[in-house]
Amino acid sequence: GAGVSQTPSNKVTEKGKYVELRCDPISGHTALYWYRQSLGQGPEFLIYFQGTGAADDSGLPNDRFFAVRPEGSVSTLKIQRTERGDSAVYLCASSSPEGGRQGPTDTQYFGPGTRLTVL
Amino acid sequence: QKEVEQNSGPLSVPEGAIASLNCTYSDRGSQSFFWYRQYSGKSPELIMSIYSNGDKEDGRFTAQLNKASQYVSLLIRDSQPSDSATYLCAVNRTYSSASKIIFGSGTRLSIRP
Repeated sequence: GAGVSQTPSNKVTEKGKYVELRCDPISGHTALYWYRQSLGQGPEFLIYFQGTGAADDSGLPNDRFFAVRPEGSVSTLKIQRTERGDSAVYLCASSSPEGGRQGPTDTQYFGPGTRLTVL
Repeated sequence: QKEVEQNSGPLSVPEGAIASLNCTYSDRGSQSFFWYRQYSGKSPELIMSIYSNGDKEDGRFTAQLNKASQYVSLLIRDSQPSDSATYLCAVNRTYSSASKIIFGSGTRLSIRP
């Protein structure tokens, strides 16, 4: 079946602009995660959705970052007033917790990522 | 101290040999452990998961977990050039109704023909 998809694959923007990154999870997956990965580093957790609600947004670096998942499927990560330090690959992952509750054994499947470059 | 630590490498192993990748974690409450492989310019791909102490084998891959030592490793037997990639160790902590995966920085593995 179809995996996690992310659009756009590449985004180049100017400092101070607003960007939206989209994630389309695997059909039926209730859990959705956003990560940010800089060169030479592992993915850094940003936010986790269970259904429509953000269960954990402790990884969002500041209030310029916001994410939504209004219908419990597609999610959009929004970055306001972009800065050069926001340049990274933004990864989305989804998983299907058993019984509708996220558990320790749930496997996360990653999308191809969006490479964001802020000039 | 980072929550999940890995040697960044690069680790160079001759083709056909065993590659050994190591990872330590700091949170004793961690319950699940994963190894992801990431090729350059690609997203992470899960290759192994392990939840209890001991060894878990899957084809050429063996994951080893020692919760007392807070240590998890990945062995790759009969290494192939296609195994050259960055290997990410990840640890899952479940708390209240949420769950979070923390990744290490990855170990770059190079298999030389």
